[in-house]
Amino acid sequence: QQQVKQSPQSLIVQKGGISIINCAYENTAFDYFPWYQQFPGKGPALLIAIRPDVSEKKEGRFTISFNKSAKQFSLHIMDSQPGDSATYFCAATINNAGNMLTFGGGTRLMVKP
Amino acid sequence: NAGVTQTPKFRILKIGQSMTLQCTQDMNHNYMYWYRQDPGMGLKLIYYSVGAGITDKGEVPNGYNVSRSTTEDFPLRLELAAPSQTSVYFCASRRTGNGYTFGSGTRLTVV
Repeated sequence: QQQVKQSPQSLIVQKGGISIINCAYENTAFDYFPWYQQFPGKGPALLIAIRPDVSEKKEGRFTISFNKSAKQFSLHIMDSQPGDSATYFCAATINNAGNMLTFGGGTRLMVKP
Repeated sequence: NAGVTQTPKFRILKIGQSMTLQCTQDMNHNYMYWYRQDPGMGLKLIYYSVGAGITDKGEVPNGYNVSRSTTEDFPLRLELAAPSQTSVYFCASRRTGNGYTFGSGTRLTVV
């Protein structure tokens, strides 16, 4: 059972444009929603994260929007740059002892110069 | 401070062979995890540990075993390798809060 669904699978954006990646979750017990960025041959690295008590979090060019009632959250990359080309994963977890992350399927982003 | 170190980076196994994927962290993190990443898919949890001597199954544990004798090391053992275990394996660790640190992965091919 896929508890976190991510779309699109791939995305091509022109330099300077806005990249938008969407995720939807099923388990209402999830209470922490991180986004990870992965470059080829590397492990995922934490990019930005949000908790469900806020509707938006911004860090530089990266913004998470969170809609608790719709059980959806999204990543917006403003002024996208070729260096942002990577695979992005949304994830969710329940804040218990194990804190196991449930990942979405990933989005491969390509930013064209 | 090396973070999370995984070895080997690449490995080809024949069906039925066994191997151990090594994972070491030098951050004194209590929590450690093993994930596998299949093409076009997200990461799926194999096993995790909340501290030395304590391990538990994740979403896809069949065909794997783990041990956690020290805080630093969390090896993943594959017994009787099968083609379905062809994947990229990531080890991760976490202390408090929710930030995971991932290793750079082991790419395993079973032929």
